[in-house]
Amino acid sequence: DTGVSQNPRHKITKRGQNVTFRCDPISEHNRLYWYRQTLGQGPEFLTYFQNEAQLEKSRLLSDRFSAERPKGSFSTLEIQRTEQGDSAMYLCASSLMAAAVNYGYTFGSGTRLTVV
Amino acid sequence: SQQGEEDPQALSIQEGENATMNCSYKTSINNLQWYRQNSGRGLVHLILIRSNEREKHSGRLRVTLDTSKKSSSLLITASRAADTASYFCATVSMDSSYKLIFGSGTRLLVRP
Repeated sequence: DTGVSQNPRHKITKRGQNVTFRCDPISEHNRLYWYRQTLGQGPEFLTYFQNEAQLEKSRLLSDRFSAERPKGSFSTLEIQRTEQGDSAMYLCASSLMAAAVNYGYTFGSGTRLTVV
Repeated sequence: SQQGEEDPQALSIQEGENATMNCSYKTSINNLQWYRQNSGRGLVHLILIRSNEREKHSGRLRVTLDTSKKSSSLLITASRAADTASYFCATVSMDSSYKLIFGSGTRLLVRP
């Protein structure tokens, strides 16, 4: 287990289709965060999990977005009825809650979504 | 929402020169972190400074924090072409989410 893994790396989809991304965090990390990053901008917080519980969702997460983390392990982020404005890099990060204030977060390489 | 601005938005320097990036934020923080992002890749954690610290060093990196001005700076000394990347500051929220709130980033180009 060498880090946070995200799949796929790239996804091209037609407008209106559904897409699902997967994030595998570092195994002992109980916190998992999703961020969205558009070109030339910093990442924006979407949602986070502590174990299997989704504790916060930002207003950016419209009802077309849903995230899960069954059994507190990997997480999925699904976008239904994709729109061109959903085109972005989707980043996942994990951490140990107890260490969050003392250590940095480990990010995956991201999934780049292009909606055509 | 973005935490604040980073200045400059873009910086081009010669290899061997120092690079300084500044970050401002809006709310009270638990700590402030700096990340590097190579083009099209994920973010890599560089350094963390706690709200009660004023300066921190790690290798060629030096970070300062001024909580009265809600600002931080990142200095990279003796820059190398491999330092070419985007650099982001991120504050850790005071609530129990500990989520990161990022600035808009500085794009650094180090010319060989």
